[in-house]
Amino acid sequence: SQKIEQNSEALNIQEGKTATLTCNYTNYSPAYLQWYRQDPGRGPVFLLLIRENEKEKRKERLKVTFDTTLKQSLFHITASQPADSATYLCASSGDSWGKLQFGAGTQVVVTP
Amino acid sequence: NAGVTQTPKFRVLKTGQSMTLLCAQDMNHEYMYWYRQDPGMGLRLIHYSVGEGTTAKGEVPDGYNVSRLKKQNFLLGLESAAPSQTSVYFCASGGEGAQYFGPGTRLTVT
Repeated sequence: SQKIEQNSEALNIQEGKTATLTCNYTNYSPAYLQWYRQDPGRGPVFLLLIRENEKEKRKERLKVTFDTTLKQSLFHITASQPADSATYLCASSGDSWGKLQFGAGTQVVVTP
Repeated sequence: NAGVTQTPKFRVLKTGQSMTLLCAQDMNHEYMYWYRQDPGMGLRLIHYSVGEGTTAKGEVPDGYNVSRLKKQNFLLGLESAAPSQTSVYFCASGGEGAQYFGPGTRLTVT
């Protein structure tokens, strides 16, 4: 069956450093991957989408890569700030019309 | 632009009671979704709709029903609530790209 997995262990990082999160998928080839941010008690917020024919996507201090050989996406937060502390969700779809499968999320804690 | 709104924000039900969760979006999106989120399990798709008058089952549809009578609204019904349906429910709308989520409904079934 299709699986999408993220590291369940929280990532603790010092302010100013780069946080790197991993998302792995198995048994399918998604057309694209998405990353969302979720704060406690709130709904997820869309951050970035990367398609299977794109190697890298950037938005401000965020960078996403998509390696179809490794079946993996990496999500980077550069120059991290305490305000970046949240849970980050990876989501993928093999369909074209938007049905997503979500990973369980990785919590990021940025300390001053 | 309110985006995606959900009603109610919190609800406590007794086993066997019924209720309807309402989702509304003002972004003219064709697609709408209902998810549940449980600790350690991530978001799981319950039902979805690809347009007004259409609905389809997601990953965990048992015990839930949905209706999409108007494009902007997507209703999730629990006919006979069970403790296993205690969860946080999120509605989302979107298309082939990003999905936009509501603030969630925290439901407890005792």
